[in-house]
Amino acid sequence: QVQLVESGGGLVKPGGSLRLSCAASGFTFSDYYMSWIRQTPGKGLEWVSYSSSSGSSIYYADSVKGRFTISRDNAKNSLYLQMNSLRAEDTAVYFCARSPGFSHMDVWGQGTTVTVSS
Amino acid sequence: EIVMTQSPATLSVSPGERATLSCRASQSVRSNLAWYQQKPGQSPRLLISGASTRATGIPARFSGSGSGTEFTLTISSLQSEDFAVYYCLQYNNWPPWTFGQGTKVEIK
Repeated sequence: QVQLVESGGGLVKPGGSLRLSCAASGFTFSDYYMSWIRQTPGKGLEWVSYSSSSGSSIYYADSVKGRFTISRDNAKNSLYLQMNSLRAEDTAVYFCARSPGFSHMDVWGQGTTVTVSS
Repeated sequence: EIVMTQSPATLSVSPGERATLSCRASQSVRSNLAWYQQKPGQSPRLLISGASTRATGIPARFSGSGSGTEFTLTISSLQSEDFAVYYCLQYNNWPPWTFGQGTKVEIK
């Protein structure tokens, strides 16, 4: 069945770095656009970054631009989010999600928790 | 950036009753609007895309309507498994893709 599994979350100090991974299975990963979305109790759901199927078109939310980098390895059916210069406000559950284009997200992973705290 | 506003924040409904949730966009998003359901400890699940097209496996009691700036998600007869938080998402003007703040449907 179609599945997305995130990993790599954890506790990190402000200014630190973390790399999230999303392993895809049950579908042809290279056919789909992929995104990262985060969720906090206070701000709800916030779109973070989007990658086209080939990785040639990429977008970032202003709140993470210059600090986060999305990438994908279609041979490994994997999506990544490199997060640098982390701030307390980056604390959230991070979801990866599949999209049929630069469109809605039709399948979501279960999420991985990132906590930025000293 | 398009701002999505959902109302009400909380909706108290008895099982078997009809629930009507609203989502308003700060400018037209045409029909590029999706609805998601999220239960505690779970990830969001796609219910509706294109404002009115049910996703695969979604029961017919869920229906979406609207276009432009005003959208509605209707649950015709609430079942126990429908008590959850519902979010709308606009994907017309991007980046950014923007979500509403959610409507919690609780048992009355």
